[in-house]
Amino acid sequence: EVQLVQSGAEVKKPGESLKISCKGSGYSFTSYWIGWVRQMPGKGLEWMGIIYPGDSNTRYSPSFQGQVTISADKSISTAYLQWSSLKASDTAMYYCVRLPAGYNWFDPWGQGTLVTVSS
Amino acid sequence: DIQMTQSPSSVSASVGDRVTITCRASQGISSWLAWYQQKPGKAPKLLIYAASSLQSGVPSRFSGSRSGTDFTLTITSLQPEDFATYYCQQANSFPLTFGGGTKVEIK
Repeated sequence: EVQLVQSGAEVKKPGESLKISCKGSGYSFTSYWIGWVRQMPGKGLEWMGIIYPGDSNTRYSPSFQGQVTISADKSISTAYLQWSSLKASDTAMYYCVRLPAGYNWFDPWGQGTLVTVSS
Repeated sequence: DIQMTQSPSSVSASVGDRVTITCRASQGISSWLAWYQQKPGKAPKLLIYAASSLQSGVPSRFSGSRSGTDFTLTITSLQPEDFATYYCQQANSFPLTFGGGTKVEIK
């Protein structure tokens, strides 16, 4: 079974750094794009970017370019989303997703990681 | 960027009703559209891909169609477990974009 398991909820202060993770299992991790989707409280879904773990090629949404960094460690089948300096507006649920080979929709989804940024 | 305009933003319906949700793309996306269902406190789940292909395991009461840049998700005979929020997503070009969502509520 293809699964994406994300790291647990985080509570951080503005200005702090953070790296959350997404571990893939049940498939060849290096052969599929992995992405991240943001959902702010009570709001809709926003695509942030994707990475191809096989060669670490990345694509970002212009809305998130320069705001976050997506990376992957193929030796442990894990993708990451990181911030160098969090803002209160980064408070949201973050989902990792897998893209089927050759297509740009998302299946499956991780269970989500809630990030709360508050002073 | 391709804008996805989803309507209605909410709909009240009863068990057994037929529900139709529409998504309009701001430019042509061929059939590169997906639909997702999200229940409260849960991650979204893929229902339909390529505008009309049913994801494995999804009940056949869900269907998708396309007419030009207009896309429709139809739920025939709404079941209690179908009360959720539904999102469309264009998969044609980057940046990938979602519709604003449609909440299907109990009447």
